[in-house]
Amino acid sequence: SYELTQPPSVSVSPGQTARITCSGDALPKQYAYWYQQKPGQAPVLVIYKDTERPSGIPERLSGSSSGTTVTLTISGVQAEDEADYYCQSADISGTWVFGGGTKLTVL
Amino acid sequence: EVQLVESGGGLVQPGGSLRLSCGASGFSFSSYGMHWVRQGTGKGLEWVSSIGTAGDPYYADSVKGRFTLSRENAKNSLYLHMNSLGAGDTAVYYCARGSDGLDVWGLGTTVTVSS
Repeated sequence: SYELTQPPSVSVSPGQTARITCSGDALPKQYAYWYQQKPGQAPVLVIYKDTERPSGIPERLSGSSSGTTVTLTISGVQAEDEADYYCQSADISGTWVFGGGTKLTVL
Repeated sequence: EVQLVESGGGLVQPGGSLRLSCGASGFSFSSYGMHWVRQGTGKGLEWVSSIGTAGDPYYADSVKGRFTLSRENAKNSLYLHMNSLGAGDTAVYYCARGSDGLDVWGLGTTVTVSS
């Protein structure tokens, strides 16, 4: 079955840039999406179609894509950015998949 | 206000069945694909099932043959029928709207499979 691979954890100091990667064989052909989830809350869509940002999402969150890897970049990290981040995509059969999630810690 | 509200979760014995419901409001329900995503305690998100506007369902391998997803557009409702439940199905089940990603989520309903 199709898999998306993320690092389990990323740590950065406030004001620095955090980069969270997501790798998958189908990513050159399928869009990726990113979700932010804080403890006890439902996930929130923060990036869609690799690079697009929904309204209300801060500009410091951005997405990029290169080959089989997509990256969520958070510039000028703030304490409120501490959360779990999940990438998500789909395969051509119509089934969706999430990455294992990355815990972002703001030191 | 765009909203999704899940219901129907609870405690069920192994091998049992349960039906989850998701009520939608604030948008044209029939115009959107809908999804169920679950999350075990301390675990990541797992896509479970989706249904398109034409009513065509898709399932994760882990639930195929046991879960059935349906929608009733006249009632703005989504239903997930779950059979042959096992401990691995214990999770918070989220209903989500599909539109350039899952852009609206409910708060979730908890399913616990235990004797």
